[in-house]
Amino acid sequence: AQSVAQPEDQVNVAEGNPLTVKCTYSVSGNPYLFWYVQYPNRGLQFLLKYITGDNLVKGSYGFEAEFNKSQTSFHLKKPSALVSDSALYFCAVRDKGKAAGNKLTFGGGTRVLVKP
Amino acid sequence: DGGITQSPKYLFRKEGQNVTLSCEQNLNHDAMYWYRQDPGQGLRLIYYSQIVNDFQKGDIAEGYSVSREKKESFPLTVTSAQKNPTAFYLCASSIVGAGGGDIQYFGAGTRLSVL
Repeated sequence: AQSVAQPEDQVNVAEGNPLTVKCTYSVSGNPYLFWYVQYPNRGLQFLLKYITGDNLVKGSYGFEAEFNKSQTSFHLKKPSALVSDSALYFCAVRDKGKAAGNKLTFGGGTRVLVKP
Repeated sequence: DGGITQSPKYLFRKEGQNVTLSCEQNLNHDAMYWYRQDPGQGLRLIYYSQIVNDFQKGDIAEGYSVSREKKESFPLTVTSAQKNPTAFYLCASSIVGAGGGDIQYFGAGTRLSVL
């Protein structure tokens, strides 16, 4: 079974500093990996995904993520955080194997608080 | 949230009552999904459908039912058998592509509480 772990419940960072949100995954084969962001009382918004190719993926709002197969990680990063980046961030994985179908498995979420 | 409409935004359920959450999409997506979100547990898949008149159970289907009579609609019924229904419910949709990297688009959610 596929699974995702986000080891930090909350990340605090000062505005202008680099932001990293950690994610590790477990799948039986090669993964599709996603990051989503959720603002209070709203649905999730897609940030970026890794399918294949370059290990560094660039996404919306200046975010990027680095796929590391040996460490089974897909950490989300932003070089300079903004107060408006404060939100709940979810990592998700889909197994490329046919048995997994189209199902996404989500991590528990990491709350990011960017202080002015 | 554009393209996927969930209603109502807030819903209250009495003991022993069934309630239905609406989800409509105008994105012409084949696949639709229902998730339950509880604090600290992320999103858990309840049901999903990849085509009209067909759907599959997710990880926590017990106490829930769905139908998919139209491509654009995927209502979720929370039955009286669901003993702990208080949660934030999210509907999503996506294309069903051969590549598998299909992005899911989410509605704004329905918050269900028990009276």
